[in-house]
Amino acid sequence: NAGVTQTPKFRILKIGQSMTLQCTQDMNHNYMYWYRQDPGMGLKLIYYSVGAGITDKGEVPNGYNVSRSTTEDFPLRLELAAPSQTSVYFCASTYEGNRNTGELFFGEGSRLTVL
Amino acid sequence: GNSVTQMEGPVTLSEEAFLTINCTYTATGYPSLFWYVQYPGEGLQLLLKATKADDKGSNKGFEATYRKETTSFHLEKGSVQVSDSAVYFCALRKTSYDKVIFGPGTSLSVIP
Repeated sequence: NAGVTQTPKFRILKIGQSMTLQCTQDMNHNYMYWYRQDPGMGLKLIYYSVGAGITDKGEVPNGYNVSRSTTEDFPLRLELAAPSQTSVYFCASTYEGNRNTGELFFGEGSRLTVL
Repeated sequence: GNSVTQMEGPVTLSEEAFLTINCTYTATGYPSLFWYVQYPGEGLQLLLKATKADDKGSNKGFEATYRKETTSFHLEKGSVQVSDSAVYFCALRKTSYDKVIFGPGTSLSVIP
């Protein structure tokens, strides 16, 4: 059981470049989230999804886009990379419903540097 | 709005010392409360949780009690080990359909 898998683990981008962070979960979770974690700071929610075809903005969505075409996948797109997007990105998932335990399952993170 | 406040770090302790990391929250009603831990280079993982007032969550020697009267959920461990060095996040969620709100995290270093 792989859990939540993120790729790539590390990436360096130039200003203005685009890229997609991939996130896949194999636990049949309906809710998925993208967070960013800046040094010494907590987690800030970028986007989330409550199911395939449904996404919504979190606290800091500017500069990012997401899609949720399947239950398993929730990619995060950076269209025009800026130095302010240098951060560690975490994908997380959970099941919301009658058997919900309240636990979020996190990937190992993707460290992005924009130069 | 809902929020979580944690004591500022970093916290440095000697092995076998007693640990307390304070956490207080602001929310109406009875949110569920969580402690997550992030080991170096890894994602967050659930350490323990409590879903109603006076519940005590426990795991790996760590404990936290849900105190409604003081809106607190302090994390404690009687004897820390070097392997406990990590960042600890307090979090809350009001209902199972709400987003999780995290505190800023407290970095703990345990030295031999």
